[in-house]
Amino acid sequence: QQQVKQSPQSLIVQKGGISIINCAYENTAFDYFPWYQQFPGKGPALLIAIRPDVSEKKEGRFTISFNKSAKQFSLHIMDSQPGDSATYFCAASLPGGYNKLIFGAGTRLAVHP
Amino acid sequence: KAGVTQTPRYLIKTRGQQVTLSCSPISGHRSVSWYQQTPGQGLQFLFEYFSETQRNKGNFPGRFSGRQFSNSRSEMNVSTLELGDSALYLCASSYRLAANPSTDTQYFGPGTRLTVL
Repeated sequence: QQQVKQSPQSLIVQKGGISIINCAYENTAFDYFPWYQQFPGKGPALLIAIRPDVSEKKEGRFTISFNKSAKQFSLHIMDSQPGDSATYFCAASLPGGYNKLIFGAGTRLAVHP
Repeated sequence: KAGVTQTPRYLIKTRGQQVTLSCSPISGHRSVSWYQQTPGQGLQFLFEYFSETQRNKGNFPGRFSGRQFSNSRSEMNVSTLELGDSALYLCASSYRLAANPSTDTQYFGPGTRLTVL
């Protein structure tokens, strides 16, 4: 019930292509869904986040699509660049969670020139 | 504005020892959370502090403890280290006006890499 399942585990995309990473959850009480980007040797950095009252949120080349009925959300990276090569984590938290984030297992993205 | 800082960045300890890790949040941030990151278990929540009070705790044994000081700086302690405690320990801070239980945007530090031999 507390898990967030992320797929794929790894992804290879050509420069200029679209990268798509998916996450699924069971607990319908989750009310906050952020995506984090992590480069080797660094801590995760917030990319974009969404709450369940919105079906889509876009910030630059990054878009979150949220499907409440399917209990799924995804990250789309448009015009992927080699600099986007990193590990991406989806996460979720409960209301009253006091900042406790439940993370997916991560997706290692490699963007080839 | 300076980001979240964690010290030390790297640490090597032996089984049975104890260790203390330090975290300085972004100026003005009053909430500090700690996470453990390992290749096998991924990112797991340890605990969260706000105004020197622990408000939430993950599923870790009592060997893992933490505290927060009046300046919002936080420390976490692991006693009787085990090989499985080898991990990257991440601290995250967030801005919060009041002690409400919702989730804020969290900003992570670079982590402390702990190796237990």
